[in-house]
Amino acid sequence: TQLLEQSPQFLSIQEGENLTVYCNSSSVFSSLQWYRQEPGEGPVLLVTVVTGGEVKKLKRLTFQFGDARKDSSLHITAAQPGDTGLYLCAGPRSYNTDKLIFGTGTRLQVFP
Amino acid sequence: SQTIHQWPATLVQPVGSPLSLECTVEGTSNPNLYWYRQAAGRGLQLLFYSVGIGQISSEVPQNLSASRPQDRQFILSSKKLLLSDSGFYLCAWRWGDRQPFRYGYTFGSGTRLTVV
Repeated sequence: TQLLEQSPQFLSIQEGENLTVYCNSSSVFSSLQWYRQEPGEGPVLLVTVVTGGEVKKLKRLTFQFGDARKDSSLHITAAQPGDTGLYLCAGPRSYNTDKLIFGTGTRLQVFP
Repeated sequence: SQTIHQWPATLVQPVGSPLSLECTVEGTSNPNLYWYRQAAGRGLQLLFYSVGIGQISSEVPQNLSASRPQDRQFILSSKKLLLSDSGFYLCAWRWGDRQPFRYGYTFGSGTRLTVV
């Protein structure tokens, strides 16, 4: 069974700080996605990474897929209160499926 | 544009009562639809998925069932709720092409179910 472990579970920082969130697995994933979820809402897709070593940037967010496609990271530069939320990584449960398994989540709180 | 609707937003039900949560999608046809449950502030657990009318696959044996009576309607049900059924229920549909991994999920706004 494929599992996605995220760390840290919780992160509280001040506005302007940098942070990195990790998503790790012992299994190889064909792709990984990152979602952000705000309280009382459904997750919203931020990015999909497909190629080992791939780096994608979304404004102040940088996403990286590990070379072996077993892990991914999300780095936020100069965090803002609007970045507050639950960050979830997700990947297809097996190669030939679109059913996603989700990571354990990282709850980020950015204080002004 | 495609939209997904879920209702109700919140629900408080007594143990042993029935449940019906509805999800509808607009702006697309024959979507793959999913029901997920989320424990408090944590990851999502896939409960059911459907690739078409009347086609339901259950991921986790439990007290819940799902049905897809129409192409863009997905219903989550229970005959008798248990305390352990409490949680945040999310419906999603998959957009894009599975190959080469150019797809994503769009989620509804969820239903917060509290069984008392």
